[in-house]
Amino acid sequence: NAGVTQTPKFQVLKTGQSMTLQCAQDMNHEYMSWYRQDPGMGLRLIHYSVGAGITDQGEVPNGYNVSRSTTEDFPLRLLSAAPSQTSVYFCASSPGRDRGVLNQPQHFGDGTRLSIL
Amino acid sequence: GEDVEQSLFLSVREGDSSVINCTYTDSSSTYLYWYKQEPGAGLQLLTYIFSNMDMKQDQRLTVLLNKKDKHLSLRIADTQTGDSAIYFCAESFSGGYQKVTFGTGTKLQVIP
Repeated sequence: NAGVTQTPKFQVLKTGQSMTLQCAQDMNHEYMSWYRQDPGMGLRLIHYSVGAGITDQGEVPNGYNVSRSTTEDFPLRLLSAAPSQTSVYFCASSPGRDRGVLNQPQHFGDGTRLSIL
Repeated sequence: GEDVEQSLFLSVREGDSSVINCTYTDSSSTYLYWYKQEPGAGLQLLTYIFSNMDMKQDQRLTVLLNKKDKHLSLRIADTQTGDSAIYFCAESFSGGYQKVTFGTGTKLQVIP
């Protein structure tokens, strides 16, 4: 089972470039989300989606866009990369459907390590 | 505001018990979680406890919750080298998927 797949695993960008981080899950999960992980700060929620066609902002949404055209895919777009966006990005999914603890992120991808020069 | 705090580092000898501690500030949290992150990987949900419980045991893992002191702990019995990882506690609130607050993580080093 693939679970949550993130691509690419590593990326180096120049300031001002744009790119899309891909996330796909094969578990038919309703809920998907993007987090960034920075040293000493835990994980912070960027954007999330509770189903196809529905997205919402998390704690740190500025500089990022998302879309959810299918249940399986939840890409994260950096519009104009800045050094402050250097981080490790994680995509997560959960069954959702307001089933208590199953709302919360349960399956994580292995992350995309992004450096902005 | 919401804040979840953990110590940064814990070192134990193989075979000993590990206790990882976490304090949180929001008393309205519904679930509290422990996640494990191995090097180069994403987070793995280890266990969780509902806020009206005091204790939950799952094989070598014991979760203790002290709501009065807003203190959560994870005890790992008979710690193995494969338990070396970063452990995150997190809290969430009923019905609010987006309201998950993670701690900063505790790096557990197991010495053979």
